[in-house]
Amino acid sequence: NAGVTQTPKFRILKIGQSMTLQCTQDMNHNYMYWYRQDPGMGLKLIYYSVGAGITDKGEVPNGYNVSRSTTEDFPLRLELAAPSQTSVYFCASSITALVTDTQYFGPGTRLTVL
Amino acid sequence: GNSVTQMEGPVTLSEEAFLTINCTYTATGYPSLFWYVQYPGEGLQLLLKATKADDKGSNKGFEATYRKETTSFHLEKGSVQVSDSAVYFCALSDRSTLNNFNKFYFGSGTKLNVKP
Repeated sequence: NAGVTQTPKFRILKIGQSMTLQCTQDMNHNYMYWYRQDPGMGLKLIYYSVGAGITDKGEVPNGYNVSRSTTEDFPLRLELAAPSQTSVYFCASSITALVTDTQYFGPGTRLTVL
Repeated sequence: GNSVTQMEGPVTLSEEAFLTINCTYTATGYPSLFWYVQYPGEGLQLLLKATKADDKGSNKGFEATYRKETTSFHLEKGSVQVSDSAVYFCALSDRSTLNNFNKFYFGSGTKLNVKP
């Protein structure tokens, strides 16, 4: 049981390039989330999904896109990378949408846009 | 709206010292409260949680009590170790007003340095 895995761990992009951050969970969780963590700040929700085929925007969705074709995978797409997207990106998942439920986090992807 | 405020760091302590990291929250509903820990180079790990008022969450010697009257969830440990050096995040979970999921709100994190 690997939990939530993310690839790559590190990436440097040039302005205007695109990339996909991969996220996979093997816990059969319906709910998945993408967060970004800027230096000295808490986590901000980018997108979330309540199940395969269903996604919606979080607090800071601009410049990103997601898809959810399977329960396990929830990739995050960056189009036309900008320096403001330099951040650490975390994927998370939870079993339910109950307020009492825990979110389980992946190890993160550190992205630098130059 | 919902928000979490926690004390700024870094907090530097000697081994075996007593630790308190303050966390207060604002919530419109009946949130659950969490402490997550992030070790260097790693993701966030759940440390403890409390799901209703007066509940005490505990794990690995850490504990925190959900105080509704003071809207607080302070993290404490009686004797810290060097291995406790990490960033600690306070968070609350509440029902999203827009859609059917539990939205998390995170504090900005408090870095703890424990010296031998």
